[in-house]
Amino acid sequence: VQLVQSGAEVKKPGESLKISCKASGYSFTSYWIAWVRQMPGKGLEWMGIVYPGDSDTRYSPSFQGQVTISADRSGYTAYLQWSSLKASDTAIYYCARSSTARYGSTLGRLDPWGQGTLVTVSS
Amino acid sequence: QSVLTQPPSASGTPGQRVTISCSGSSSNIGNNDVYWYQQLPGTAPKLLIYRNNQRSSGVPDRFSGSKSGTSASLAISGLRSEDEADYFCAAWHDSLSGHVVFGGGTKLNVL
Repeated sequence: VQLVQSGAEVKKPGESLKISCKASGYSFTSYWIAWVRQMPGKGLEWMGIVYPGDSDTRYSPSFQGQVTISADRSGYTAYLQWSSLKASDTAIYYCARSSTARYGSTLGRLDPWGQGTLVTVSS
Repeated sequence: QSVLTQPPSASGTPGQRVTISCSGSSSNIGNNDVYWYQQLPGTAPKLLIYRNNQRSSGVPDRFSGSKSGTSASLAISGLRSEDEADYFCAAWHDSLSGHVVFGGGTKLNVL
């Protein structure tokens, strides 16, 4: 089971961005994929999840409306995108496989994780 | 401010036992499972403990988890230098939207 994320990005404020997370070694459509943010020198923040089987998505209230999470089940790839980046979006973004359950407790299980994608937003 | 509360730092000497606490509420830890993650410097987090007290594959039995009420703990016995890392607790948070919440993280220093 492996998740491989796209490479580091340097963007200007106001630009759009889509980063990816390619899965292999398991049934991609059966497990949620989560995205987690880690700002410089800070802790982990759960952003939201996508269920590749039917593209169902759930967002943390903190990130609802700020990002879009999606998946391409034929390409075994999940995505995280921004329409207009801000300097405060500078962070490492991780994807991680979550559970098969549609709701609740087991969605806290994140294993394995991708290697992370560093996004730097600066003018 | 994180929904789950952890001490910012902990320390111990090689061979010692240390515990890291994680405090929440009935909306998260009180009614849901707790997960623990280890993040070594410069690397992605790794699942250490799932479902409160189950060790993930390959995790040494020096690591153990427990939960009581709205709090949880991670214990590390026989401390080793390679245990120096950040440790995060996580749990599902019951609400209208439902989402996962993390603790702020504890930096473990092995002196």
